[in-house]
Amino acid sequence: DAEITQSPRHKITETGRQVTLACHQTWNHNNMFWYRQDLGHGLRLIHYSYGVQDTNKGEVSDGYSVSRSNTEDLPLTLESAASSQTSVYFCASSREGLAGEQFFGPGTRLTVL
Amino acid sequence: AQKVTQAQTEISVVEKEDVTLDCVYETRDTTYYLFWYKQPPSGELVFLIRRNSFDEQNEISGRYSWNFQKSTSSFNFTITASQVVDSAVYFCALSEIGRAQKLVFGQGTRLTINP
Repeated sequence: DAEITQSPRHKITETGRQVTLACHQTWNHNNMFWYRQDLGHGLRLIHYSYGVQDTNKGEVSDGYSVSRSNTEDLPLTLESAASSQTSVYFCASSREGLAGEQFFGPGTRLTVL
Repeated sequence: AQKVTQAQTEISVVEKEDVTLDCVYETRDTTYYLFWYKQPPSGELVFLIRRNSFDEQNEISGRYSWNFQKSTSSFNFTITASQVVDSAVYFCALSEIGRAQKLVFGQGTRLTINP
């Protein structure tokens, strides 16, 4: 069965370290998204991609970067982790077209000390 | 800019009661999609429904029903005869129609169903 996975599921890191969160989907979807979930804010869009070599900034992109070298993966990098980036991170994917339904990964809980 | 407001932060009811979760949205787009997602205690996001702005017909799926009113920019979700398994955080979301498909989420409503 097609799926979307995230790793690690839990991560603790220190302020200033570079961290990469992995997202892998086997749906063969062109569209991929990264969101962060914080109390009182729901989920907010960090970055998104419409296909290989395409990446775009979302609402809360400062301090984050992504790259898309193949269809299946969209890793999210925190260049220099900050305590304000402690959050739960969700990756999602959707097919092209008007459907709009996004399939979400299980989430990664990141703690920055 | 698009915005989704779920004014109810937390709701607590007794099992078998009916409960309605409110969702109000703002958008300048004339066409858009509206969604509801469920996040149970296990943490994953479960898709419940997608509604096209062209279609204002209400929808019922078992104990779940959705009332879409374009005139008031609302997309409310009702659970009839609630059950303990309905306890979760529920998110309403809005997206453009087209390539963008970026979801704008509300803050979420934590629903607790007490036995």
